[in-house]
Amino acid sequence: AQKVTQAQTEISVVEKEDVTLDCVYETRDTTYYLFWYKQPPSGELVFLIRRNSFDEQNEISGRYSWNFQKSTSSFNFTITASQVVDSAVYFCALSPSGTYKYIFGTGTRLKVLA
Amino acid sequence: NAGVTQTPKFRILKIGQSMTLQCTQDMNHNYMYWYRQDPGMGLKLIYYSVGAGITDKGEVPNGYNVSRSTTEDFPLRLELAAPSQTSVYFCASSQVDRVSIGNQPQHFGDGTRLSIL
Repeated sequence: AQKVTQAQTEISVVEKEDVTLDCVYETRDTTYYLFWYKQPPSGELVFLIRRNSFDEQNEISGRYSWNFQKSTSSFNFTITASQVVDSAVYFCALSPSGTYKYIFGTGTRLKVLA
Repeated sequence: NAGVTQTPKFRILKIGQSMTLQCTQDMNHNYMYWYRQDPGMGLKLIYYSVGAGITDKGEVPNGYNVSRSTTEDFPLRLELAAPSQTSVYFCASSQVDRVSIGNQPQHFGDGTRLSIL
């Protein structure tokens, strides 16, 4: 069975601190996709990144970076120099290739304090 | 560039009433989904569809029905509303193709906040 674990329920940081959100997944599929979504207080779900299981290259987009390690089944998300606007719930998701399934973690609530 | 459009945004129902939540996508995606999100919780899959005319149950289908007569539309029907169905409902769509593009990200509507009193 597939599973996504986001063990950090809530994280509070002070503005300008770096913060890493953890995501650990379980799957026996050899081909799969990983995603991160942001849900700000306004409630919508915003897609951030997609990774396939064959691409372990880390990615950086502005203050955001993602570290994918198949050896530890992790896909962690780091925000550098956090800002108040980063305050949101962040969801990690796993989708086995060719299936309808998008398995979401329970989310991590990030609070960035001014 | 509409993406996934849900209506209404808010609704209050009385116990026992029925209603339909509308969802339309303009991206020609083959897969569509309905989720519910209870306060402070994650997403639970209610129903999904892999194409027009094909629907199937997710984790929490009881009390709901869906149909998908076209690629674009995927309405969710609540029959005999109950307080336990108070939630925020999200419709999503994605393009999935094992051979070529793989599993693309889900695109979500803005949600429908539903209260059953």
